[in-house]
Parts: sequence; structure tokens; C-alpha cells
Amino acid sequence: DQQVKQNSPSLSVQEGRISILNCDYTNSMFDYFLWYKKYPAEGPTFLISISSIKDKNEDGRFTVFLNKSAKHLSLHIVPSQPGDSAVYFCAAREAGSYQLTFGKGTKLSVIP
Amino acid sequence: GAVVSQHPSRVICKSGTSVKIECRSLDFQATTMFWYRQFPKQSLMLMATSNEGSKATYEQGVEKDKFLINHASLTLSTLTVTSAHPEDSSFYICSAQNPGLNEQYFGPGTRLTVT
Repeated sequence: DQQVKQNSPSLSVQEGRISILNCDYTNSMFDYFLWYKKYPAEGPTFLISISSIKDKNEDGRFTVFLNKSAKHLSLHIVPSQPGDSAVYFCAAREAGSYQLTFGKGTKLSVIP
Repeated sequence: GAVVSQHPSRVICKSGTSVKIECRSLDFQATTMFWYRQFPKQSLMLMATSNEGSKATYEQGVEKDKFLINHASLTLSTLTVTSAHPEDSSFYICSAQNPGLNEQYFGPGTRLTVT
């Protein structure tokens, strides 16, 4: 039973356009959400996060949106750059716990 | 720069031998560290939570006698894969929780191949 779902295993976007990566969750106890970027044979790198008390968090080209009622969050990257090509993992955490539950990841390819 | 290091980055061992992987927190003292395993094209699966000075907490289905975890100091946790078998071949990643902050920092991972 996957509590964090990334239903798109891959996404291709033209350089300069917007990349939108989606994530759905089922556990209503999750109150903190994170996005990680991962290159092959490397550990994940933290990108951006959002608390459940917010619906948007922005950091440079990266914006995360949270829709609690729909149990859905998305990561927007604009403009997309070839260096953004990687696997993006959505992760969630319950209140009072440090344990992260990860989705399966979405492989983003930004085409020059 | 990296805040969490792992050693070795790659290891090949023979079936039946044991392998130790080290995870170090470089910039902060981590009372809690995590060990994950990732199979190709799969998510990161949490294996265990390592708490400094106490026994690790293992996730369901993870054999604690096979995957020995030691968190002897605030900056070092080790994972020992005992009596390794080819099915233990995987990418093992550790992470450290910076106390008081929300982010977990990951190591670069260790590729274990058991022949």
C-alpha cells in the first residue's frame, strides 16, 4: 500500500518551458512534504519543502503547491534547464516523526 | 559541500562475507540517522532508524540480525550486511536528520554487489 504516489514515471520537457511533477498521498497524518532530486548512483539532494499549513512555497525556479483537500502536491520548475534532468522524489512525513515516506520518483528529461 | 558522507561508495564482495558501510554526518551532530535501500527504478525503502546510544528500529521485513546497525557517536552510523548473498546487492543510502530542522540530508550512497 503506497502512501506516496508519483504516477508519472517519466516526463520530457523542452528547455525553457515549465516542468510540473505531481505527487499524491493517502495518509492524512502527513504534515510535511519534501522534494528531492537524485542523479544515478548518488544520494538524493533536498530541493524544497512545504508544511501542511501552507499551500505554496517558492524558491527561485522551484515552487511547490499543496492541495490538502485533494491530498496532492506538485513541483513546478520554470524555466526548465537541461541540468534539471534527474529523478525527482516526493517525500512525506508525519507530525512528530522524522521518518520519510518516498514516492517511486519521476524521471525528468529537459530537452535542449 | 556534502554534509553526509558514506564509505565505501562501491563494494564488491563474495557471497557469505560481511560488509560494513559507514555513514558520517560532517556538519552537525545527528541523533537520528536512517538507512535506505533502493532497487533499480524503485523508490527508497526505509530499512531502519538509527538512534545514537540505543538500538536501531527496523522496518517490517528487514532482518535485524542480517543488517546490523551501530550508531556509536553523534556523527557516525554503520550498517553491516552479514553473510551477504547476491539478493543483497543493491544501492544503500543513509541520511542524517539535523536536529531542529526539517530537512534530512542524504549520503551519496553505496553500491553493493555480492558475487
